[in-house]
Amino acid sequence: DAEITQSPRHKITETGRQVTLACHQTWNHNNMFWYRQDLGHGLRLIHYSYGVHDTNKGEVSDGYSVSRSNTEDLPLTLESAASSQTSVYFCASSDETSGRGHEQFFGPGTRLTVL
Amino acid sequence: AQSVSQHNHHVILSEAASLELGCNYSYGGTVNLFWYVQYPGQHLQLLLKYFSGDPLVKGIKGFEAEFIKSKFSFNLRKPSVQWSDTAEYFCAVIPYGNNRLAFGKGNQVVVIP
Repeated sequence: DAEITQSPRHKITETGRQVTLACHQTWNHNNMFWYRQDLGHGLRLIHYSYGVHDTNKGEVSDGYSVSRSNTEDLPLTLESAASSQTSVYFCASSDETSGRGHEQFFGPGTRLTVL
Repeated sequence: AQSVSQHNHHVILSEAASLELGCNYSYGGTVNLFWYVQYPGQHLQLLLKYFSGDPLVKGIKGFEAEFIKSKFSFNLRKPSVQWSDTAEYFCAVIPYGNNRLAFGKGNQVVVIP
């Protein structure tokens, strides 16, 4: 079955370190998204991609970057981790040509703690 | 700013009670509407969605939602909740021609056995 996976599931890091969170989907979806989930804020969009080599900033993109070198992967990099980036991160994918419209499929999440 | 609003962030109710969660959005024009559910410790799963047609949409686990265009609303309902419905519920909207979901802040629902 097609799926979307994230790794690691849990990560503890120190302020100032570079951290990369992996997201891999086997749906063959064109669109991929990164969100962070924080209490009282719901899910907020960090970055998104509509296809290979395409990346776009979301509403909370400062301090984060992404790259899309193939269809399956959209890694999220925190260039210099800050305590404010302690959060749960979700990756999602969608493809409006799949017959399911804009329905997004979510990964299991990565819980990141920055000390 | 365009947004999605969910009220009553925390809801506590007993088993067999009815549940209704409100969702209002501020986007004009055609929209696609979704309700997602997140059970404790799990990822988001689609509960139901509306793209077009019958404004009363039935989803999984006995949930339904009604799209009222004139009120910019997409409220979620379940006539009789179970303890297993304890979860966080998110309303989300995609304006036509856009691939990006806009989420509400969620409703934390706790069902007491």
